[in-house]
Amino acid sequence: DIQMTQSPSSVSASVGDRVTITCRASQDISTWLAWYQQKPGKAPKLLIYAASSLQSGVPSRFSGSRSGTDFSLTISSLQPEDFATYYCQQGNSFPLTFGGGTKVEIK
Amino acid sequence: QLQLQESGSGLVKPSQTLSLTCAVSGGSISSGGYSWSWIRQPPGKGLEWIGYIYHSGSTYYNPSLKSRVTISVDRSKNQFSLKLSSVTAADTAVYYCARGTVKRPPDAFDIWGQGTMVTVSS
Repeated sequence: DIQMTQSPSSVSASVGDRVTITCRASQDISTWLAWYQQKPGKAPKLLIYAASSLQSGVPSRFSGSRSGTDFSLTISSLQPEDFATYYCQQGNSFPLTFGGGTKVEIK
Repeated sequence: QLQLQESGSGLVKPSQTLSLTCAVSGGSISSGGYSWSWIRQPPGKGLEWIGYIYHSGSTYYNPSLKSRVTISVDRSKNQFSLKLSSVTAADTAVYYCARGTVKRPPDAFDIWGQGTMVTVSS
């Protein structure tokens, strides 16, 4: 199985801050990486697919990038509604696997 | 707009079979070449992909659960289902159904149901 390692596991930030979350794949997954946002009691919401493609309707302050097997999700200016847990997911090979999550908390 | 809705038993006894259904509305389960997955999340923990099915009936299961999982599709009712046998407390989780992209394997899940909590307890 491909292991997806997210860091940090949690981050405290203020409204307006730039926040970057990292996800490292245990082997090459090309660009088959998605990012999700999950709020308490809700289903995950797709933000980014194919490492850097913004899902329709998602604000442009969210962006994704890739460097080898390292992937990043950046929120350029954190908004109150962005406080949530974020997960990465690889879609390169079976079984599909998720990272452990990064909780973005209010500082 | 496509929507997914899970239903099924919220309480299952140990060693019994968990059964859930995902109803698809606002579109056909047979169109577009999408895959249809089940994903679960134990309380306070991360996400685990269980398996998927295509409208043709072809399936793929997570090897960690493969011996206990069956996913089926009912095209006439526009729904797909999950059965997980021999459950234990470790199967207690919120279960989500989700639509996967047309790529095989799907590289992302773009539409999710709201999730249904299943507790395994005697």
